[in-house]
Amino acid sequence: EAQVTQNPRYLITVTGKKLTVTCSQNMNHEYMSWYRQDPGLGLRQIYYSMNVEVTDKGDVPEGYKVSRKEKRNFPLILESPSPNQTSLYFCASSLVGNPYEQYFGPGTRLTVT
Amino acid sequence: KNEVEQSPQNLTAQEGEFITINCSYSVGISALHWLQQHPGGGIVSLFMLSSGKKKHGRLIATINIQEKHSSLHITASHPRDSAVYICAVRGCTGTASKLTFGTGTRLQVTL
Repeated sequence: EAQVTQNPRYLITVTGKKLTVTCSQNMNHEYMSWYRQDPGLGLRQIYYSMNVEVTDKGDVPEGYKVSRKEKRNFPLILESPSPNQTSLYFCASSLVGNPYEQYFGPGTRLTVT
Repeated sequence: KNEVEQSPQNLTAQEGEFITINCSYSVGISALHWLQQHPGGGIVSLFMLSSGKKKHGRLIATINIQEKHSSLHITASHPRDSAVYICAVRGCTGTASKLTFGTGTRLQVTL
């Protein structure tokens, strides 16, 4: 089954404790992206990757890191989480080309206390 | 002003009603997406449009590039259509990798 998976789905952590949210897709998609969703603000792009070893900042990259060592995986790293990073996070992937449909992961609800 | 504006923000309808959700954008785009977010949080892609009109079952999406406006219509609405509907636009050339989202329209369909 074609899908984007994220782990963990729910995470409560404390300020400053490094964490990684994993994202994996099995559709051989070149493009992967991370979004955060906050009430009243909608979805905002954090980072995206056009292919292996190619990453770029989205609209709200501060406080986040990503890596793309393999085509299927695109982890999101919070080196020192802060309460303002409490949010619902989505990973998405797609083929590269225009136009192209994005496939979304199930979301990770992160709470930083 | 946001680049992508949706209206209404909230919508309540009775089963069977015809529903229209609007999306206006202020930038040049290469495509427009309509997404559905279920109450559980998952997001699925409904349509991707660069011109004209698309239909899938009871859902119809239209776009007017000159007026920078798109509409999502639901015919014969049903309680299972209750969800948040999100419009997103994809930039042109150098920004084609970027999706900009509206804040969503929350639809509730009652019996």
